[in-house]
Amino acid sequence: GAVVSQHPSRVICKSGTSVKIECRSLDFQATTMFWYRQFPKQSLMLMATSNEGSKATYEQGVEKDKFLINHASLTLSTLTVTSAHPEDSSFYICSARESGTNIFDFFGQGTRLTVV
Amino acid sequence: QQQVKQSPQSLIVQKGGISIINCAYENTAFDYFPWYQQFPGKGPALLIAIRPDVSEKKEGRFTISFNKSAKQFSLHIMDSQPGDSATYFCAARGFQKLVFGTGTRLLVSP
Repeated sequence: GAVVSQHPSRVICKSGTSVKIECRSLDFQATTMFWYRQFPKQSLMLMATSNEGSKATYEQGVEKDKFLINHASLTLSTLTVTSAHPEDSSFYICSARESGTNIFDFFGQGTRLTVV
Repeated sequence: QQQVKQSPQSLIVQKGGISIINCAYENTAFDYFPWYQQFPGKGPALLIAIRPDVSEKKEGRFTISFNKSAKQFSLHIMDSQPGDSATYFCAARGFQKLVFGTGTRLLVSP
């Protein structure tokens, strides 16, 4: 089945530093990948849509300079949280849309970011 | 309207019972309706999905019922098991983006 690998699964960083999260589609190509944020006991909120080879499209209210997204290949997208602060602590999840059918979205296992 | 309303917020079902979760939407441009299962600390996993031209889809113990005129769809889990205890999200896709419901925490008691 389609597998999306997200790394790291957990990260703790100091306030003011940057953290990079990787999202890889292991057995399929993904022209489009998505980044979500999820607070405890809440739903998933879309942060941005990442298209291979082009700039990401950010949802309203998401700071593009704080959450840098790169989608350099059909199997890899990265999210960099720059100058992280405690309020950025959250569960970040990526998903990859299978290019062939362009229908199914498969999710990574998520990254728990804690900023101290 | 890009919202998807989901109910109930939480659900307790006895082992072997039927779990039913409902969702409603407004935007008729939505063209794909998946359901996801999420365990604590994990990403969502695709369970089953349906297109609006189909009224019902069954995969194993999971069934989606879709009512296009009412703009409602539901997930039925037959013979619910303790291992089904998780949070379930309905979603709807429009303009290439998924909009998620608020989630239902299901607890299946032994």
